[in-house]
Amino acid sequence: GESVGLHLPTLSVQEGDNSIINCAYSNSASDYFIWYKQESGKGPQFIIDIRSNMDKRQGQRVTVLLNKTVKHLSLQIAATQPGDSAVYFCAENISGAGGYNKLIFGAGTRLAVHP
Amino acid sequence: EAGVAQSPRYKIIEKRQSVAFWCNPISGHATLYWYQQILGQGPKLLIQFQNNGVVDDSQLPKDRFSAERLKGVDSTLKIQPAKLEDSAVYLCASSLELGEETQYFGPGTRLLVL
Repeated sequence: GESVGLHLPTLSVQEGDNSIINCAYSNSASDYFIWYKQESGKGPQFIIDIRSNMDKRQGQRVTVLLNKTVKHLSLQIAATQPGDSAVYFCAENISGAGGYNKLIFGAGTRLAVHP
Repeated sequence: EAGVAQSPRYKIIEKRQSVAFWCNPISGHATLYWYQQILGQGPKLLIQFQNNGVVDDSQLPKDRFSAERLKGVDSTLKIQPAKLEDSAVYLCASSLELGEETQYFGPGTRLLVL
């Protein structure tokens, strides 16, 4: 079936530590994955993406890892800052027959950064 | 570059009333999406437009929800009549073109149905 889920609903970290947010997906046909950050009262904000032909992609302070064998996705945030506090969603993209794309979102993980 | 604009930001109505939400996508973006985000959950796609045509409305409760994008730019989402379970944040997103996976979201409209 089509579903994206997260292992940990809430993650608390100390400022300066590294954070790892995990996500499991179930659709083998998914070809593209995105991590979004959603702060309170705002819409989801694009963080980083990865295609299914890759297993790692790095951005500024963030790294996404994709393990297709176990259908697992993770987001690593280096030197976590208070501004990183938010809910993080992984989303899998499924390409439709008409050339359109459909994003399936997980439930989200809340990241709380403590000073 | 201006982002996706939505209005109103908040709306409180009683059940069985009607409500409409408005979305202005990023300039030049051909594809527009409406999502429903219930508290504590991820966004769920309701409908997707390519210009002024519907691409996917398979998850839109058509007995009470309707959406249009008549001129291929702005879009409205309507609920008539509203139910208690429609309380959620309604997010609008846009992407450059069909097949472009990266979607940019607006701030959402928070709806409370009493």
